[in-house]
Amino acid sequence: GAVVSQHPSWVICKSGTSVKIECRSLDFQATTMFWYRQFPKQSLMLMATSNEGSKATYEQGVEKDKFLINHASLTLSTLTVTSAHPEDSSFYICSAYQVSRGGVNEKLFFGSGTQLSVL
Amino acid sequence: SQQGEEDPQALSIQEGENATMNCSYKTSINNLQWYRQNSGRGLVHLILIRSNEREKHSGRLRVTLDTSKKSSSLLITASRAADTASYFCATVAGAGTALIFGKGTTLSVSS
Repeated sequence: GAVVSQHPSWVICKSGTSVKIECRSLDFQATTMFWYRQFPKQSLMLMATSNEGSKATYEQGVEKDKFLINHASLTLSTLTVTSAHPEDSSFYICSAYQVSRGGVNEKLFFGSGTQLSVL
Repeated sequence: SQQGEEDPQALSIQEGENATMNCSYKTSINNLQWYRQNSGRGLVHLILIRSNEREKHSGRLRVTLDTSKKSSSLLITASRAADTASYFCATVAGAGTALIFGKGTTLSVSS
């Protein structure tokens, strides 16, 4: 089955540094990927929709200058948390649709997530 | 953004008992899906029910959907300790759009 690979699985960084998280569709092309954030004991909150070759669409309340999304190819989207602060510590998870030959978005596949801890 | 509420927020049962979780949503949907998440880990897709379906089964799972009430339920029969996890419903408004998750139910099954 289709696989979405997300790296790193966990990262610890100092406050003020930037962290890049990669999301790759391994055996299918993904024109659209989604990024979610999950705080402890809470649900997944959609942060942004990443579209290949165009600007990402951010949900209300998500700072686009802080969470930089790049979707430069059909198999890779990256989320960069810039100038990270302790309040950015969270579980970040990406997902991508596998598009059928008929162009219909079918199943949505999730990466395994990245636990970010900002000291 | 979050689509809706899940009920109950937490559920504790004994092995062998059935667990029922409910989910309500706010807008029109294309389909509704249920996911499981073990503590601190990724998501496991359990079942998808389309807006024109009313009930679906998969193994020990039974999902119902009532679009008139904008609600769904997930029933896990003969629960096992390994079913201990958080369960989320998630809705898709249209083809190719993002999943919007409910707040989730934390299920604890004790042996």
